[in-house]
Amino acid sequence: IVMTQSPATLSVSPGERATLSCRASQDVNIDLAWYQQKPGQAPRLLIHGASKRATGIPARFSGSGSGTEFTLTISSLQSEDFAVYYCQQYNDWLPITFGQGTRLEIK
Amino acid sequence: QVQLVQSGAEVKKPGASVKVSCRASGYTFISYEIYWVRQAPGQGLEWMGWVNPNTGATGYAQKFQGRVTMTRDTSINTVYMEVSNLRSEDTAAYFCARVGDFSGFGYWGPGALVTVSS
Repeated sequence: IVMTQSPATLSVSPGERATLSCRASQDVNIDLAWYQQKPGQAPRLLIHGASKRATGIPARFSGSGSGTEFTLTISSLQSEDFAVYYCQQYNDWLPITFGQGTRLEIK
Repeated sequence: QVQLVQSGAEVKKPGASVKVSCRASGYTFISYEIYWVRQAPGQGLEWMGWVNPNTGATGYAQKFQGRVTMTRDTSINTVYMEVSNLRSEDTAAYFCARVGDFSGFGYWGPGALVTVSS
């Protein structure tokens, strides 16, 4: 299953809303996770099951979608939110696949 | 608390092998699969495969079959990922990860950088 994220780079001002998209090449139901990664760090799980926030993740992060179209929304960007975001499908375990990432940068 | 501690950085020559370890603590080791994900410099995340610490069963991405071996040692709560016949394209950070409380990879090791250079 090929995961395609858009856009590749998103420039947003602090305090504004960011909307990131992820498309699956076939139906993955809601078996979709979102991760945040900062330079030199391991990825951090934000969302699982397409819309469920992981433990400790702030409410400004929300996920939606099912099937082949998914969205990650960050409602009011904080300085610490500027990072690279990846989606991942785990409906098909061989192989599990990631999107190529969206870089969220300060405008 | 769940922790995954990985071995240190390695520098290898083309054609050599490397074995990266991932030691788990803070939970029952045999209860959760461990997954391996790699990331080449400046690139995205690439899933490599998984190992079941209880049974030793494994599953590999087709790209890595025949060149990657994942094993475990239940006596020291450690899983291993070995890559043979290294080439420059294998230069990457190698992460181990575990599923979180529900789904998705909720726990990650810090990564082990493997550099392949002549």
